[in-house]
Amino acid sequence: DSGVTQTPKHLITATGQRVTLRCSPRSGDLSVYWYQQSLDQGLQFLIQYYNGEERAKGNILERFSAQQFPDLHSELNLSSLELGDSALYFCASSVPMGGYTFGSGTRLTVV
Amino acid sequence: TQLLEQSPQFLSIQEGENLTVYCNSSSVFSSLQWYRQEPGEGPVLLVTVVTGGEVKKLKRLTFQFGDARKDSSLHITAAQPGDTGLYLCAGNFITDKLIFGTGTRLQVFP
Repeated sequence: DSGVTQTPKHLITATGQRVTLRCSPRSGDLSVYWYQQSLDQGLQFLIQYYNGEERAKGNILERFSAQQFPDLHSELNLSSLELGDSALYFCASSVPMGGYTFGSGTRLTVV
Repeated sequence: TQLLEQSPQFLSIQEGENLTVYCNSSSVFSSLQWYRQEPGEGPVLLVTVVTGGEVKKLKRLTFQFGDARKDSSLHITAAQPGDTGLYLCAGNFITDKLIFGTGTRLQVFP
């Protein structure tokens, strides 16, 4: 158990819809990183939050947004969904010696 | 844009064989990690290397960080079916944001 919790595990939705993915980082960890993994693009960094503030942004579409709440859980909001948004979405916490511990991901299927 | 290239992309071997996976970049890493990922799960951290020339061993896995901190290798001795998975290298370039490599998919047959 990585200590990083993601819900839901699976999500199936139609094009044009909006979904929210949730992540609870390891206890006491202030950072949350969001990644998207698709078959043709590999693991792509989306966005990082640290103690409620956005710290770094990667290849995140304007249709996507995220936030981190005072209790440190984070939500990734995906709107106007397209077929190409189908992917695994992971969040991660950092570990003291370097590197990340990942949640088990949310598999999003857009139909 | 920092890129991490891994080779080979796919590797299919018999149990007991040795293999090496490579991770290369044109940029200098401040640190590098190796992860293993199984289908439907998140990547699991195997090792972090920080110092150029560093070698770390984890049972049958040997990780090496290049002297110039631009490349790394993962060597598996006497591979077993349980080693099957997607191996990913990932590097930090100044910030703590990780950039992931393209991945090596390993299949070990009994």
